[in-house]
Amino acid sequence: AQSVAQPEDQVNVAEGNPLTVKCTYSVSGNPYLFWYVQYPNRGLQFLLKYITGDNLVKGSYGFEAEFNKSQTSFHLKKPSALVSDSALYFCAVRLLGQGGKLIFGQGTELSVKP
Amino acid sequence: ETGVTQTPRHLVMGMTNKKSLKCEQHLGHNAMYWYKQSAKKPLELMFVYNFKEQTENNSVPSRFSPECPNSSHLFLHLHTLQPEDSALYLCASSQGRARETQYFGPGTRLLVL
Repeated sequence: AQSVAQPEDQVNVAEGNPLTVKCTYSVSGNPYLFWYVQYPNRGLQFLLKYITGDNLVKGSYGFEAEFNKSQTSFHLKKPSALVSDSALYFCAVRLLGQGGKLIFGQGTELSVKP
Repeated sequence: ETGVTQTPRHLVMGMTNKKSLKCEQHLGHNAMYWYKQSAKKPLELMFVYNFKEQTENNSVPSRFSPECPNSSHLFLHLHTLQPEDSALYLCASSQGRARETQYFGPGTRLLVL
């Protein structure tokens, strides 16, 4: 079955430290991969996506993600975390040939402490 | 977030009520989506519309009835809902359905009593 997994429900990081939010996927064919962020009582905001090309993708607010085909992963990273980065992060994969259906992971709560 | 707007932002309704959620996108997109977000669960795709035509119904109960009068507007009509339907309902739009990014509205927080 095609799926997306975010193995950590919560990630805690000190401000100024690097952060990583993990995502792995299981799909047939070449995936289109996305990261979204959700702040409290808000909708999802697009951060970045991987379609093709360079495995390292840079996105909004200093975030980046690395596509690793052999490990079927698309981890979200930031070199120096901010308190304002605290939010819920979702990884998603676009299924090809199914009308562009997006499958979301269950989300990871990122908490950045001062 | 002003690219996709949703009204109302909050809604409380009884199980016998009929209400509608509205979504409007100002991005010139041709595909629109309804998602349900429940606590501790992944987002669930409910419906997809492409150029006003419904292209996907993800086994959604008939008490949820979508309507897409044009590419900019999407409605979700609600009737005889159950308490377990309480959730955040998110609307999204995209230029196409394959490679393009979906942009989300702020959502409607629905509570069914």
